[in-house]
Amino acid sequence: ETGVTQTPRHLVMGMTNKKSLKCEQHLGHNAMYWYKQSAKKPLELMFVYSLEERVENNSVPSRFSPECPNSSHLFLHLHTLQPEDSALYLCASSQVAHGEQYFGPGTRLTVT
Amino acid sequence: EDKVVQSPLSLVVHEGDTVTLNCSYEVTNFRSLLWYKQEKKAPTFLFMLTSSGIEKKSGRLSSILDKKELFSILNITATQTGDSAVYLCAVGGANNLFFGTGTRLTVIP
Repeated sequence: ETGVTQTPRHLVMGMTNKKSLKCEQHLGHNAMYWYKQSAKKPLELMFVYSLEERVENNSVPSRFSPECPNSSHLFLHLHTLQPEDSALYLCASSQVAHGEQYFGPGTRLTVT
Repeated sequence: EDKVVQSPLSLVVHEGDTVTLNCSYEVTNFRSLLWYKQEKKAPTFLFMLTSSGIEKKSGRLSSILDKKELFSILNITATQTGDSAVYLCAVGGANNLFFGTGTRLTVIP
């Protein structure tokens, strides 16, 4: 497998559920990112990890919890989400923080 | 407030036309400007620009940055239907990357 992969590709969850999104990069990069893309809005950067350390948290609600166990894997743990959290969640990686980024295919999340 | 503004928001052209997409920005501690193409899901990287006046070129696509006037353009010559996509501009600041809302390009056969 090459590039950046994300699972699942689609997820429907209720507001009381707990789920996790997974991202894996096979590019040997040192930085990984979570983005949220809602309809008709710019991509919103949620979290940045560089060398497995979180370097940024852009005022994201605590119902989103990232985890980076190593430089190749990134998780986004979800709990008690709201319908407005429905969006496409994109993972990306780059060689260095905020360098050119390579995106995964995204997870389309629907919160019911 | 940091911001990235792209224009036009959408554009419809015929195959073979040349298009110019615009990106203007106000970002503290500018480091780089990036262009992405987003077709169905994941954006794919096109160019990264850090210096003014140096054109980056890849096939029919080219881009240039003006750090004095704070903008960049993305040119696509001899457009093809496969160029239909949303083109995203992103600008790297001190500790963040700011995206514009994108330009939706539709190329009609």
